[in-house]
Parts: sequence; structure tokens; C-alpha cells
Amino acid sequence: GQQVMQIPQYQHVQEGEDFTTYCNSSTTLSNIQWYKQRPGGHPVFLIQLVKSGEVKKQKRLTFQFGEAKKNSSLHITATQTTDVGTYFCRPNFGNEKLTFGTGTRLTIIP
Amino acid sequence: SQTIHQWPATLVQPVGSPLSLECTVEGTSNPNLYWYRQAAGRGLQLLFYSVGIGQISSEVPQNLSASRPQDRQFILSSKKLLLSDSGFYLCAWMALNTEAFFGQGTRLTVV
Repeated sequence: GQQVMQIPQYQHVQEGEDFTTYCNSSTTLSNIQWYKQRPGGHPVFLIQLVKSGEVKKQKRLTFQFGEAKKNSSLHITATQTTDVGTYFCRPNFGNEKLTFGTGTRLTIIP
Repeated sequence: SQTIHQWPATLVQPVGSPLSLECTVEGTSNPNLYWYRQAAGRGLQLLFYSVGIGQISSEVPQNLSASRPQDRQFILSSKKLLLSDSGFYLCAWMALNTEAFFGQGTRLTVV
């Protein structure tokens, strides 16, 4: 079946440290999206990766799509308190279902 | 521009009472519509999705149902709420191969 695993489930980091969350799919993806949900809020779209090996940057955030289009990562350099939240990947298996990874909850220790 | 409205923001309901949550989308036509439930600190559980009027796909058989009476209206219902129905309910819409947009969510507490 079409499954995706997102790790880790939780990450506690000191402010200024880096953070990475990974999404791994059992099957090749059409594309992958990343979303951020602030505490008490709703998920908000961050980025979409489409091409094999694609790397995109948004300020301190770096998104990568694997060569085989089965895995992806989101890396945050020098975390800040504004980065707190849960990060979800959304693997696109080429159908109309909108399912997400289990999410990685990031907390920052000031 | 497209907007999505979801209400109410919070709801406290007694066990056994009915539920109706409404979600409407503006500024687009024929969107795919989705209902999720999120337990505290947990992930997004897809409950129902719809690709057109009257077309409902159920992901998790449970005490809930969904309907799409109009193109841009998606309703989540229950005849009798259970304590386990408590959670954060999110509506979302998406056009094909684009990003998803979420409503503000409804925090439901069943007492």
C-alpha cells in the first residue's frame, strides 16, 4: 500500500540549533509538499517539490526531494522560537486523496 | 482570491447530541474537499473527502458522516456524539496538484 513514514515524532532543540525532519515513502511520489502548523492553528503550506533531487530554500529552511522521489527532508538552520510547531509532509501518490505524514513536533528551548 | 470558512471555532456538546459542522469555499469551483480530525498533539486523520457534489469517500468508518449538497459546501455530521468524537476538526480544499488550504478549525469537546 501507499504509506509514508515521518520521523522523528518529536524534536526538542536549543534555540540556535538545527532541526531536520524526514519523510520516507514506500512508493515513488508525483511530488511532495510540506506544511507547518503552529500550536492552536491550522496547517499552512510551505513548499512543493516536484523534480528528482530538487532542493529549495526559504531563508533558514531547506527542502530536499530524493533522487528516487521516495523521500524528502526539511532542514531548519539555527532555529528560532518562531519555528515552533508541527511540520507535516504531504506525499502525492497521484490521486485525489490528501493524506499527510504523522508530523514532527518541534519545540524550542530558549 | 479563494477563501475557506469553517464554523464554529469552538463547540461543547453533550454525549448523545447531534453534530453539524459546515465548511464553505469561495473563489473557486469544483474543489476537492476534505474533513480531518486531529487529536491533541497528534497527526491529521483524514475522515472524508469529496471530488464533486454528492460524492463522498469515507476513510474511517465511525460515528460520523459527511455530505456535499453544493459544489463549495461540505458538511460533517453525527446523529449521536460519543466522548471519543472530541478533537480538532479541520476542513480543507484543494485543486488538482496544487496546495491545500485549511479552515481555521473547530475544537469540539464532547462532555
